[in-house]
Amino acid sequence: GIQVEQSPPDLILQEGANSTLRCNFSDSVNNLQWFHQNPWGQLINLFYIPSGTKQNGRLSATTVATERYSLLYISSSQTTDSGVYFCAALEGSNYKLTFGKGTLLTVNP
Amino acid sequence: SAVISQKPSRDICQRGTSLTIQCQVDSQVTMMFWYRQQPGQSLTLIATANQGSEATYESGFVIDKFPISRPNLTFSTLTVSNMSPEDSSIYLCSVRTGRGNTIYFGEGSWLTVV
Repeated sequence: GIQVEQSPPDLILQEGANSTLRCNFSDSVNNLQWFHQNPWGQLINLFYIPSGTKQNGRLSATTVATERYSLLYISSSQTTDSGVYFCAALEGSNYKLTFGKGTLLTVNP
Repeated sequence: SAVISQKPSRDICQRGTSLTIQCQVDSQVTMMFWYRQQPGQSLTLIATANQGSEATYESGFVIDKFPISRPNLTFSTLTVSNMSPEDSSIYLCSVRTGRGNTIYFGEGSWLTVV
């Protein structure tokens, strides 16, 4: 099956800093999603982005499907951005998501 | 999008007992899935819940340990049977609504087995 790798595994920022999280995947995908898992365990959809670029407030994401990677940009980070960021890829028609191991982001005040 | 409710949200269970987690969706969905997230780990798919038929389990997961029901297009249950401390995890229900490829997740059920 598809392999999903995320980097960096951990990231510590000061409030106001910008960051880029990366997701590499091993094969062509039908779907690439970014999630934020808050400290209570809830997974929040950030982006559905199989290709191209999307922006939502301080967050944006770009997927270059031909090169099999996706980037999540966080600008002007806030303490509430802390948590684990997962990317997940969906292959074929079975709609099973394969998750990366996540990036643990800590934003300090 | 879809609103997905899970019950219980959190529970502490005794070793050897079983617990059933419920997943209710506010609209009919084409596909429902159950994931497990062990402490500090990523999410792993347990099974696809099929309406009106047996669930499809991933490698490493078996029906005797994780029986799943899906009686209709808005509801599913996952039972964690004969629990051991290794089953302490967050269990998450997820759905595909059929209006695209986006997958949505419930709030998760935190189980601690003592």
